[in-house]
Order: sequence, then C-alpha cells, then structure tokens
Amino acid sequence: GNSVTQMEGPVTLSEEAFLTINCTYTATGYPSLFWYVQYPGEGLQLLLKATKADDKGSNKGFEATYRKETTSFHLEKGSVQVSDSAVYFCALSEEGGSEKLVFGKGTKLTVNP
Amino acid sequence: DTAVSQTPKYLVTQMGNDKSIKCEQNLGHDTMYWYKQDSKKFLKIMFSYNNKELIINETVPNRFSPKSPDKAHLNLHINSLELGDSAVYFCASSQFHRGFDGYTFGSGTRLTVV
Repeated sequence: GNSVTQMEGPVTLSEEAFLTINCTYTATGYPSLFWYVQYPGEGLQLLLKATKADDKGSNKGFEATYRKETTSFHLEKGSVQVSDSAVYFCALSEEGGSEKLVFGKGTKLTVNP
Repeated sequence: DTAVSQTPKYLVTQMGNDKSIKCEQNLGHDTMYWYKQDSKKFLKIMFSYNNKELIINETVPNRFSPKSPDKAHLNLHINSLELGDSAVYFCASSQFHRGFDGYTFGSGTRLTVV
C-alpha cells in the first residue's frame, strides 16, 4: 500500500538556521503531496502542496519540490523562527480522485532563540 | 468564521462508558473524516463520509460508530470505552473539485479514558 516516511525527530535548531525535513513516499501512480503543520494544542493546518512532478509548493518561507525520480518531497526553510516550532507532517493522497490522505509519523521541530 | 468545529475539546470518562464527539463544517465540503492521533502523534484514518455515505471504513473496532445526519455533520459514537481509546480525535473535511486540495481539520478532541 501507499506510505510516507519522514525523518525521525525531534529536530532542534537555533533561530535563523536552515531547516530540512526529509520525506519520501511509496505510491502507485502519481499522488499529490502535502505538508501539514500542527502547532501545540491545535489541529493540523495545510502548509503547502504539490500535485505533479517538479511542482514546487511554497508558503510562509517554506518550500518543497515534488521529485518523482527520488520519490521525495523534502521540506526546507532558509531561516527558521521560534514561531516555527511545531510538528510537521508529510502526506500523500492516493491517485484517481480518492480523498484519503496517508500521513507520515510527523517530525517535531523546536527552534530556540 | 468558516471552519471545522468539534465538540467537546476535552473529554475525560471512565472505562465502559459510552460517549459521542460531534463535528460540523460550514465550508460546503462534501466529504468528512475522522482521524485518530495517538500519543506518538501518529495519524490514522478511521472513517470517511461523502454526502452522508460511508466510503472509507478502516479496521476500527465495532465499538466505534460514525453517523452523518447531513453532509455538514459527522459524529462519532464510542461504546464501552477502553483505556486504549485515549487519543486525540480529529475531524476533517474536503471538497474534490478540479483536484484535491487536502483537508481542513478541526482542532481536535482529546479523549482520556480512566
């Protein structure tokens, strides 16, 4: 079945450091790919998405590029802030109009001042 | 505000009790979901309804029964609660229109069974 693998956390960075959270997937066909963010005590919010190969999703300084050749969708940000501390989830939706999202296990990011 | 809203936000109950969690969305979406998030933050889909019709029913104990009175509401009833049911339950909704844009999530219901 389809699956998503994220790098194990937690990740701790200093403010203004560069962030990479790795995400790879296994899927048949051409899924859409997503990054969601969960701030403490809240629900998940869509951060960015990409629907086809070589698409780049971006939002709030975060970016991720859909790489079909490496089946990856790594999340990056050039300069993190304390307010970016959260849990980040990579997810894919199954091809063909299915609206089921399969999530990775999440990566907790803590940014220290 | 347009949103997915869940009630209650917190629920503490004893083993063996029956409880319900309610979810409503005013986004005009036609599909709603229940996800369970365990203590390690792992998210697993439980159920999905499209226009009041059950379309996804993962391997979930029969003690869990979803009900969708209309496409804006999806409630979750749990019978004979067990310690292992303690988790955060998230409701979500989506609309498939010229592609899938992902879900809008509620803020979660933290269920603690004692």
